[in-house]
Amino acid sequence: DIQMTQSPSSVSASVGDRVTITCRASQDIITWLAWYQQKPGKAPKLLIYAASSLQSGVPSRFSGSGSGTDFTLTISGLQPEDFATYYCQQANSFPYTFGQGTKLEIK
Amino acid sequence: EVQLVESGGGLVKPGGSLRLSCAASGFTFSNSRMNWVRQAPGKGLEWVSYISGSSTYIYYTDSVRGRFTISRDNAKNSLYLQMNSLRAEDTAVYYCARDHPVVRGINDYWGQGTLVTVSS
Repeated sequence: DIQMTQSPSSVSASVGDRVTITCRASQDIITWLAWYQQKPGKAPKLLIYAASSLQSGVPSRFSGSGSGTDFTLTISGLQPEDFATYYCQQANSFPYTFGQGTKLEIK
Repeated sequence: EVQLVESGGGLVKPGGSLRLSCAASGFTFSNSRMNWVRQAPGKGLEWVSYISGSSTYIYYTDSVRGRFTISRDNAKNSLYLQMNSLRAEDTAVYYCARDHPVVRGINDYWGQGTLVTVSS
């Protein structure tokens, strides 16, 4: 199985900050990667697919990059509604696997 | 508007069975690949199972293979997960999710989830 490792596990930031979350795959997944945002008690929401494509309706302050084994999610100009948990997921091969999550908290 | 609505969760004893349903609307269900994803309380996301639009291709995570069965009824726009021989570690919120129409394996729409609790 492909292991997905996110870092950091948690991060504190302020409104207006730029935050970067990284995700590393245990083997080459090309660009078969997605990023999701999840708020407490809610279903995950797709932000980025194919490593760098912005899902329709998602604000442009979210961006993704990377290929192969190393990927990043960047949020430029944090807004209050962005404080949540973020997950990466590989879709290169079954079983699909998620990172352990990164909790973005208000400083 | 795409909608996915899960039902069928509840409290069940270890070794018991439960059948989850997911009612889909707002898109052509028969053309869509679907997944079940679960989340144990306070934990991360875990992909459980996948089914192609025509049910030709089905996959499971190792921990549920042989105990869970994914199926669909395209005439009823419904997805199912039959869960047998349930264990405490199957306790989770179960989400049905639609595969992105362009990029397989990426879930672009999710239901609200249904909670399954396995406890004596």
